[in-house]
Amino acid sequence: SQTIHQWPATLVQPVGSPLSLECTVEGTSNPNLYWYRQAAGRGLQLLFYSVGIGQISSEVPQNLSASRPQDRQFILSSKKLLLSDSGFYLCAWSRETVNTEAFFGQGTRLTVV
Amino acid sequence: AQSVTQLDSHVSVSEGTPVLLRCNYSSSYSPSLFWYVQHPNKGLQLLLKYTSAATLVKGINGFEAEFKKSETSFHLTKPSAHMSDAAEYFCVVRFSGGYNKLIFGAGTRLAVHP
Repeated sequence: SQTIHQWPATLVQPVGSPLSLECTVEGTSNPNLYWYRQAAGRGLQLLFYSVGIGQISSEVPQNLSASRPQDRQFILSSKKLLLSDSGFYLCAWSRETVNTEAFFGQGTRLTVV
Repeated sequence: AQSVTQLDSHVSVSEGTPVLLRCNYSSSYSPSLFWYVQHPNKGLQLLLKYTSAATLVKGINGFEAEFKKSETSFHLTKPSAHMSDAAEYFCVVRFSGGYNKLIFGAGTRLAVHP
C-alpha cells in the first residue's frame, strides 16, 4: 500500500532563517506531488505541484521554492523566512488520472517568530 | 476558469439532526469531485468521491453527496450528526485540464452541539 511521510510535524523558526520541509511517498511510482499551505481559518492554497522529477510548477509568487530531486521526494524550501510564512503545510500525492483522489501527509505546523 | 465555492464558512447543528454542507463548482470540463474532512492539526481524510459514475455517492461515516450537473453542485449530507463529526470539511474539484490539479474550496467548519 502507499504511504506518505511528511516531517517535521512542528517547527518554530526565527525570521530570516532558512526552511526545508521534506515529503516522501512509498508504494507508488511517478506520482503527482503537491505542496499546500493552510493559513489560520482559511482554506488550502496550492503552492507547488510536480508531475515528474525536476518538474515544478508554482501557483503563487512567494518566498518559497520547491524541488523534486527524486521521483518520490518533494522538498519545500525558503532561504529567508518571513512572518507571513507561518501556517500549516501539507504535502499530498495523487495518480495522474483525473478521477483519482489525493492522499495527504499529516502536515507541518510552521511558526515563524 | 475553474473554481469551487463552499457556500457556508460555518455550520452548527445539534447532535442527531441532519447535516448539509454546500458546494458549487465552475468548470468548462467534466470534473471529478471530492469531499475531505480535517480534524484539528491533522491531515486530510477522504470522505467520498464522484468520478462520473453514480450521481449519488456514499462515503465513510454515514456521509453522502449528490452530483447535480444542472446545478453545478455537490452538496454533502448526513442524516444524523454525531459529536465526532465536528471538523472542517473541504470540497475539492479536479479537472482534466491543467495537469489535473486539485482545487480546494475555502472549507466549512462544522460544529455539533449536544
